[in-house]
Amino acid sequence: SQELEQSPQSLIVQEGKNLTINCTSSKTLYGLYWYKQKYGEGLIFLMMLQKGGEEKSHEKITAKLDEKKQQSSLHITASQPSHAGTYLCGARGNRDDKIIFGKGTRLHILP
Amino acid sequence: GAGVSQSPRYKVAKRGQDVALRCDPISGHVSLFWYQQALGQGPEFLTYFQNEAQLDKSGLPSDRFFAERPEGSVSTLKIQRTQQEDSAVYLCASTFGGGRNTGELFFGEGSRLTVL
Repeated sequence: SQELEQSPQSLIVQEGKNLTINCTSSKTLYGLYWYKQKYGEGLIFLMMLQKGGEEKSHEKITAKLDEKKQQSSLHITASQPSHAGTYLCGARGNRDDKIIFGKGTRLHILP
Repeated sequence: GAGVSQSPRYKVAKRGQDVALRCDPISGHVSLFWYQQALGQGPEFLTYFQNEAQLDKSGLPSDRFFAERPEGSVSTLKIQRTQQEDSAVYLCASTFGGGRNTGELFFGEGSRLTVL
C-alpha cells in the first residue's frame, strides 16, 4: 500500500529564516496535497499539485512536485510566527483513491 | 455555516459505551472521508463515501466501527463498545467531485473522543 514519509519530523527555525519540508511517496502519485494544522484545529488547505514538475506559490510558501511525481517539497521564505504549526502532506494514488496523509512536520518559529 | 460541521466537538465515554459522531459536509459535496488522528500523528484514513455509496472502508480498525451516509449528505461514524485505544480526534472531510475530483478536501474541526 502507498505510504508517505515526511521529513523532518520537527523543525525549529529563527524568524526570518527559510526552511524546507519534504514528502516522499513509495509510489507514483495522482495528486499531492499540502495542509497546515494548528493544535486542536482542523486541517487548512494550502496547495494541491498534480503534474510532474509542477510548482505553486501562495504568499511566502512554495510547493513543488518532482518529475516522477513521487516527491514534493514545501519551502517557506522569510518565516514568520504565523507559519508555526504542523504541515501535513496528503496524496492519492489514482483518481478514485482515498487520500492518505504523512505523519506531519511540526514547525516552531523562534522570535 | 458554509464549512464542514462535526458534532459533538468533545465526547467522553466510559469503556464499553457506544458513541455516534456526526458530520455535516458542505452542501453539494459528493465525496466524504473519515479520518482518525491520534495525538501527534497524521490523520489515518478510515472510510470514504461517494454520495451514499461507501467505496472504501479498509481503514476501519475493527467491526466495532461503522459508518453510514444514507442520503448522500450527513454521515455518522458509530463506534460500539468503545475501548481506550479508540481515544483520538475523528476528522471528517468533504470535497465536491466524485471520480472527477481533483480539488481541495475541506476538513471539519473534528470530534475529540476520550474513552475512560
